[in-house]
Amino acid sequence: QSALTQPRSVSGSPGQSVTISCTGTSSDVGGYNYVSWYQQHPGKAPKLMIYDVSKRPSGVPDRFSGSKSGNTASLTISGLQAEDEADYYCCSYAGSHVVFGGGTKLTVL
Amino acid sequence: EVQLVESGGVVVQPGGSLRLSCAASGFTFDDYAMHWVRQAPGKGLEWVSLISWDGGSTYYADSVKGRFTISRDNSKNSLYLQMNSLRAEDTALYYCAKDSGAVAAPDYWGQGTLVTVSS
Repeated sequence: QSALTQPRSVSGSPGQSVTISCTGTSSDVGGYNYVSWYQQHPGKAPKLMIYDVSKRPSGVPDRFSGSKSGNTASLTISGLQAEDEADYYCCSYAGSHVVFGGGTKLTVL
Repeated sequence: EVQLVESGGVVVQPGGSLRLSCAASGFTFDDYAMHWVRQAPGKGLEWVSLISWDGGSTYYADSVKGRFTISRDNSKNSLYLQMNSLRAEDTALYYCAKDSGAVAAPDYWGQGTLVTVSS
């Protein structure tokens, strides 16, 4: 049950797009279309942003999109805004358990 | 409005035991599976355990298997985590989270309860 691999940090300027990758194996990300993404601001609980690889819960802006290719899932945030600055975590079903990524800190320059 | 309120976090010695509770409201509790997820200070999220809507199926991370037990009481809209043989590496903020119905995608989270394992 190894954590999924995410870049430690990414950054972008307001209005730009950024993509956060999440690499797993054929036993988790690559084996199922059950990848979700969470946004966490400091001192707050995580918020679900994407589920089932690319679906957005009600209320999540369409600036947030998800995709997957092989063992790597991606979260793309377009039209960056200051409030997008946060930690982002991917999460995948892995058969009998669930596994999170190590997290990526997004800085809006 | 969905509310999840965790309690039971304290300072406990290595090898000790603790029971966390999560009181749920604002949704039909017995319609949903429930998760425990933890976050060590300054670290990332770690999934701990999952229980089905009826308590009939439970799942655990390898790091806690055999030491932690998840359970629920649907008559009390409550989720529990019995933690035994605690180690320093179990020190974390423990979140209770409601499953969304989608696989591996809890959608509502509590604010967490802090467990510190230290002598």
